[in-house]
Amino acid sequence: DAGVTQSPTHLIKTRGQQVTLRCSPKSGHDTVSWYQQALGQGPQFIFQYYEEEERQRGNFPDRFSGHQFPNYSSELNVNALLLGDSALYLCASSLILWTDNEQFFGPGTRLTVL
Amino acid sequence: GENVEQHPSTLSVQEGDSAVIKCTYSDSASNYFPWYKQELGKRPQLIIDIRSNVGEKKDQRIAVTLNKTAKHFSLHITETQPEDSAVYFCAASIRFLPSNDYKLSFGAGTTVTVRA
Repeated sequence: DAGVTQSPTHLIKTRGQQVTLRCSPKSGHDTVSWYQQALGQGPQFIFQYYEEEERQRGNFPDRFSGHQFPNYSSELNVNALLLGDSALYLCASSLILWTDNEQFFGPGTRLTVL
Repeated sequence: GENVEQHPSTLSVQEGDSAVIKCTYSDSASNYFPWYKQELGKRPQLIIDIRSNVGEKKDQRIAVTLNKTAKHFSLHITETQPEDSAVYFCAASIRFLPSNDYKLSFGAGTTVTVRA
């Protein structure tokens, strides 16, 4: 049973560039949530996808956007990168959006913005 | 509000002793409280969770207690071992009204060091 996978593992970008991060949920899961984890802090909710739609969004600017595909995999896009976007980006999958089921995290993508 | 406060931020214990981490939450609608362990450079791993209809849950050396009236929950690790050294995060489910969608709101983390 494949767990949550993310790619790439690490990424280095410069300010102003754009980046796309990818996530494949755990087999059987239909909901993908994205979190940003800055160094020394807890994960912060970015947004959540279910049935290919953004269902909910945290306090992140429109530079952060996403997509969910029919196979439930998801992408996180960040435009006009800022130094402060440097963080570990975590994807978490769960089954059925509206029940408090546990979320399984992927290994994360470490983004460094120079 | 949807803040989750976690204390302490660092905790050093002697091997074999117990470790306790405490969290408080503000959203009275929260009803799911997971705890994650994150080792350096790795993903957060769920170690135990508790739902609002339960006051205590135990899994071997790990236990979690929940006091919904006071809006706080705690993680207890007994007979600590060096491999328990990691960052621990508490979280609370935050519901998006009027839908039933929810997210997890995390505490800032506790760095636990178990001294051999």
